[in-house]
Amino acid sequence: QKEVEQDPGPLSVPEGAIVSLNCTYSNSAFQYFMWYRQYSRKGPELLMYTYSSGNKEDGRFTAQVDKSSKYISLFIRDSQPSDSATYLCVVNMHRWNTGNQFYFGTGTSLTVIP
Amino acid sequence: DTAVSQTPKYLVTQMGNDKSIKCEQNLGHDTMYWYKQDSKKFLKIMFSYNNKELIINETVPNRFSPKSPDKAHLNLHINSLELGDSAVYFCASSQEGPDTQYFGPGTRLTVL
Repeated sequence: QKEVEQDPGPLSVPEGAIVSLNCTYSNSAFQYFMWYRQYSRKGPELLMYTYSSGNKEDGRFTAQVDKSSKYISLFIRDSQPSDSATYLCVVNMHRWNTGNQFYFGTGTSLTVIP
Repeated sequence: DTAVSQTPKYLVTQMGNDKSIKCEQNLGHDTMYWYKQDSKKFLKIMFSYNNKELIINETVPNRFSPKSPDKAHLNLHINSLELGDSAVYFCASSQEGPDTQYFGPGTRLTVL
């Protein structure tokens, strides 16, 4: 079983729709949860970062973590064509002897149609 | 200001050649990483360096060797390039403590 499972999509929505992107993870020891956005031919950029269960909101983006079910989500409200990108969920386990260990989902390709 | 930079952006070369990719970060981070992103867009960790020490060395061929002259730089040397090495290579950095990663723009390597 992979450490992080993510539906690869592709996902296509009309402009203004609410988008829900989801991941599950296998190890309850993971402590930190991130969402990255990657535009075509660009490097991943950090969107959201949280370490506790619950919701974290930043503008049109809401990251949700449910540690009891090992489930993480990213919601995009009022989606825009500029949101068209690949979204990567990433989990992190920090250990004193090996430092940060990041595990990546496969990414979900999102297209927002004008 | 660019936080994590890589050079070159594009690299086209013949099989069997030796090439290097350079990475620099100006964030003051302690750990740097190299990732390979294949055609299916999956990011696979190759190496990470913390204070000039190799922490993780995943099962990559020994043709790949990371070299860190100082905390702000982590270069990737590739010997005897093969067709399967064609991919996008990303450099990243993070603090030593629990942290997120910051990625460079990537180097698109094409081996002919």
